Amino acid sequence: QQQVKQSPQSLIVQKGGISIINCAYENTAFDYFPWYQQFPGKGPALLIAIRPDVSEKKEGRFTISFNKSAKQFSLHIMDSQPGDSATYFCAAGAGSYQLTFGKGTKLSVIP
Amino acid sequence: SAVISQKPSRDICQRGTSLTIQCQVDSQVTMMFWYRQQPGQSLTLIATANQGSEATYESGFVIDKFPISRPNLTFSTLTVSNMSPEDSSIYLCSAATSGGLDTQYFGPGTRLTVL
Repeated sequence: QQQVKQSPQSLIVQKGGISIINCAYENTAFDYFPWYQQFPGKGPALLIAIRPDVSEKKEGRFTISFNKSAKQFSLHIMDSQPGDSATYFCAAGAGSYQLTFGKGTKLSVIP
Repeated sequence: SAVISQKPSRDICQRGTSLTIQCQVDSQVTMMFWYRQQPGQSLTLIATANQGSEATYESGFVIDKFPISRPNLTFSTLTVSNMSPEDSSIYLCSAATSGGLDTQYFGPGTRLTVL
């Protein structure tokens, strides 16, 4: 499977701040870029996703920014809350149902 | 959406034994998958469970070690055979409806510890 590189590995943000997680991919055939949120003891849950025909997608406090030429995409969490503390995974897929995942970012939002 | 349940939720097993994990979806789905999530690592696709036929395995995973069944559109099993401590991991079942990638849901996972 082609690699998806995710950074940082862990992130501590103050409540109300902006959390930013970055991912980079290699395979130019990827055409679907989702972000999953995972709480301890739970399976990953789809948070937000983007396709390369747009550069940005926003859903509530969550925004994906996509840079096709740089083969990078990022997740921004505005007004971060303690309830957002979780592990976030970026992923990439190409045409089929198979997703390649990043290694994950453990986000801690402190009051 | 699809709700996925897995059994068992966790287990501790002895080296050399086998464990079968069950995955049940509350609605008929097109595709079912099995992933492995090792501590500090990304999710790695083990195989695609095909209804009525042999599973499609990813590089590094073989049927003798991870036999998979999918007898119908809502149920699948993954067996971890002849276990070693290196098999200690979380095993996740996922399912996708006919909508494709953007409808892939995950189960809660099975946490396996091999002693």
